Amino acid sequence: ETGVTQSPTHLIKTRGQQVTLRCSSQSGHNTVSWYQQALGQGPQFIFQYYREEENGRGNFPPRFSGLQFPNYSSELNVNALELDDSALYLCASSLRAPQEQFFGPGTRLTVL
Amino acid sequence: DQQVKQNSPSLSVQEGRISILNCDYTNSMFDYFLWYKKYPAEGPTFLISISSIKDKNEDGRFTVFLNKSAKHLSLHIVPSQPGDSAVYFCAAMGRYAGGTSYGKLTFGQGTILTVHP
Repeated sequence: ETGVTQSPTHLIKTRGQQVTLRCSSQSGHNTVSWYQQALGQGPQFIFQYYREEENGRGNFPPRFSGLQFPNYSSELNVNALELDDSALYLCASSLRAPQEQFFGPGTRLTVL
Repeated sequence: DQQVKQNSPSLSVQEGRISILNCDYTNSMFDYFLWYKKYPAEGPTFLISISSIKDKNEDGRFTVFLNKSAKHLSLHIVPSQPGDSAVYFCAAMGRYAGGTSYGKLTFGQGTILTVHP
């Protein structure tokens, strides 16, 4: 059974650029959630996708957008990057139920 | 507003002793609670969970206690081992406002646990 994988591991961008982060969910999981973890903080919910539809969104501006594909993998896109977007971005997959989510190792994004 | 709070940024215990990590929440719509452990350069790893219909759940060395009236939960690790040294996050899950779906985890800030040999 393959766990949650994310790519790339690290990324450096400059302010104003756009970035795409990728996530492959754990086998059999149809729900993907994205979280942003700033230094010294707990992860914050960005949004969730279930069967290719957005299924809830946290307090993040529209320049944060996402996609889920038929194989349940997912992308997080961030436009017009700001310095405060520097963080660890975590992807988690789960079954459609109120149960534990399984996290990937994250993508460390640095915005200069 | 911080709906899930872990007020102790760090905790240091001796190997073999009990570690108690605490968590408070404010939102009474939360009905499922989880603890995650995180090592550097890795994603959070699920440890143990508890539904709001229970007040205790046990899994090996890990026990989670839930006090709904106080909106407080705690994680007990007995006995503590050096390999338990990590950041521990408390997380809560509940229904979306006006909806029936689950899945949004609200995390606390984390507690750094250090277990000394």
